[in-house]
Amino acid sequence: DTRLTQSPSTLSAAVGDRVTITCRASQIISNWVAWYQQKPGKAPKLLIYQVSNLASGVPSRFSGSGSGTEFTLAISDLQPDDFATYYCQQYNSFSLFTFGPGTTVHLK
Amino acid sequence: EVQLVESGGDLVQPGGSLRLSCAASGFTFSSYSMNWVRQAPGKGLEWLSYIGRGAATIYYADSVRGRFTASRDDARNLLFLHMNSLRADDTAVYYCAKDSGSAADHWGQGTLVTVSS
Repeated sequence: DTRLTQSPSTLSAAVGDRVTITCRASQIISNWVAWYQQKPGKAPKLLIYQVSNLASGVPSRFSGSGSGTEFTLAISDLQPDDFATYYCQQYNSFSLFTFGPGTTVHLK
Repeated sequence: EVQLVESGGDLVQPGGSLRLSCAASGFTFSSYSMNWVRQAPGKGLEWLSYIGRGAATIYYADSVRGRFTASRDDARNLLFLHMNSLRADDTAVYYCAKDSGSAADHWGQGTLVTVSS
């Protein structure tokens, strides 16, 4: 089974910063990688699908990239609404999801 | 507007059973695969089950295989998760999520299951 790790596990940043979160897979995976944002007490929200495609309604300051075993979520011009926990997710050919452990973005 | 509303969460004793429901609206339910995902208190997301269109294909995570059963009623736009032999580590918020083919593009608000004596 493919395992996903995320780094860093926590991140302190200020409004206006650019932040990047890395998701690494234990083996080469397909480009079916997604990113979600979750705020406390709320359901996750899809941000990025298939590595770099922005989900509907998601601001363009969010972007995704990567291939092989390393994938990145970048948030440029961090806004107060962006302080949350972010999860990467891989979707394999057997329609199975694997989630990363999450990265929490705190206000510095 | 896509809406997913889970229900059925409750306090249940270890070894007990529970059935969760997810009512879907705003899309053609029968045309989409669906997933169940849970989140234990203070923990990350854990995928539990995938159910394809017409329930032709159903997959489970190792942690729940043999204890949980996913099903769907396309006539009533309902998704179910039947949970048996519940354990303390099944305590979590349970979400249903619509499958876009490569991600979960819409999620319900979740329903809390607490397993405790």
